[in-house]
Amino acid sequence: RKEVEQDPGPFNVPEGATVAFNCTYSNSASQSFFWYRQDCRKEPKLLMSVYSSGNEDGRFTAQLNRASQYISLLIRDSKLSDSATYLCVVRGNYGQNFVFGPGTRLSVLP
Amino acid sequence: GAGVSQSPSNKVTEKGKDVELRCDPISGHTALYWYRQSLGQGLEFLIYFQGNSAPDKSGLPSDRFSAERTGGSVSTLTIQRTQQEDSAVYLCASSLDSLTYGYTFGSGTRLTVV
Repeated sequence: RKEVEQDPGPFNVPEGATVAFNCTYSNSASQSFFWYRQDCRKEPKLLMSVYSSGNEDGRFTAQLNRASQYISLLIRDSKLSDSATYLCVVRGNYGQNFVFGPGTRLSVLP
Repeated sequence: GAGVSQSPSNKVTEKGKDVELRCDPISGHTALYWYRQSLGQGLEFLIYFQGNSAPDKSGLPSDRFSAERTGGSVSTLTIQRTQQEDSAVYLCASSLDSLTYGYTFGSGTRLTVV
């Protein structure tokens, strides 16, 4: 089983739609969780950290369920500019590497 | 600098030649990582430097690959006797190595081995 798994996608949604991405991780000792986005032929960029209590940043909401080892990202009122690959990232502890999921590709259609 | 700087941005080399890729992390970031990404693929971890600790080299695909980080700052990834399968974008990232702080990536070096 891979350390971090994500919905394979691609997700093709119309503008204005709400879309949710799921991510599961295998290391129960994982401490830090992030969502990154990667545009075509660009480097990944941090979208948001994921906190235990859940957190929101504008149209984006991230949730963490430690018991189920599951992370989610919800995008509301999707825009054309949201089209990208979304990467789930998990980290164990200090001195440990970040583990990237394979990514889920989103295309928002006009 | 304000961000992670990588050079060169593009490199075309002949099979069998050696190449050096450079990464200049964000000032003060103690952790530095190298990844590579082939076209349409996910990120492949190569090596991780954290402060003065021995680097985690577990991701290096062969002994043709090596990396060093001098003075806890600039890092160089060296690929010896390049092969066509080495063609990829090589991404460097740095971090404060806090549990709540993610990576910042450089814009990468696109390596093409012909």
